[in-house]
Amino acid sequence: DVKVTQSSRYLVKRTGEKVFLECVQDMDHENMFWYRQDPGLGLRLIYFSYDVKMKEKGDIPEGYSVSREKKERFSLILESASTNQTSMYLCASSSIGTVNSPLHFGNGTRLTVT
Amino acid sequence: DAKTTQPPSMDCAEGRAANLPCNHSTISGNEYVYWYRQIHSQGPQYIIHGLKNNETNEMASLIITEDRKSSTLILPHATLRDTAVYYCTRGTGGSYIPTFGRGTSLIVHP
Repeated sequence: DVKVTQSSRYLVKRTGEKVFLECVQDMDHENMFWYRQDPGLGLRLIYFSYDVKMKEKGDIPEGYSVSREKKERFSLILESASTNQTSMYLCASSSIGTVNSPLHFGNGTRLTVT
Repeated sequence: DAKTTQPPSMDCAEGRAANLPCNHSTISGNEYVYWYRQIHSQGPQYIIHGLKNNETNEMASLIITEDRKSSTLILPHATLRDTAVYYCTRGTGGSYIPTFGRGTSLIVHP
C-alpha cells in the first residue's frame, strides 16, 4: 500500500514565522501535490511537482513556496506565516507510470497561525 | 470551478444502498471520472474510477451514463463507517491534477 506521511499532525506557529510542512511518500511516485482545505471551500491546489526540482503553481500559490530535492519528499514553505494561512494542509502523490493513477493522500497537517 | 456538480448532502439507512450522483456534463472523451471519500480528520481516500464502462471493486460500484455526462457511486450496503464526504473528480492520464469541489456529505444512520 502507498504511504504518504506528513511530518506533523498539528502545528501552532506565530505570525511572521517561517513554516515548513514536510511530506514523504514511499512508492517512488513522480507526482506530488499540496492542497489546503478550508470549511465550505473544499480542497484547493497550492503547488504540485512532477519531478525532482520541478514545480508548478496551482490555484492558490500566493504566500507559499515548495521544494523538491528528492523524489520522495515534497516540502511546503510559508515564508512568513499569516493568520489567513490557518488551515488543513494535505499532501498527495501519484504515479505517471500507471495510466490514470489516482492520488494517494496523507492524513493532513492542521496548522494554526496565531 | 470544480468541473463536477454534486448534491451537498445525503443520508442513508444502514444496510441500504447509498447512491451518490455526480454531474460532469462538460467531460471530454478521454477524461476519467474518479471518486474519493474523506472521513472526518483524515485525508481523502481513493475509491474507484472509470471511463465509460461500469466499474466495481471491493468498496463500491461506479455507473457512468452512456453520454458520460453523469455518474453514480453506489455503496451497496452502507455502514456507519461509510459516513464521510464523497468527492467526484475528473481528469486524464499522467496529467491528472484533480479539482475538488465541496463534495457530498453522506450520513449513514442506524
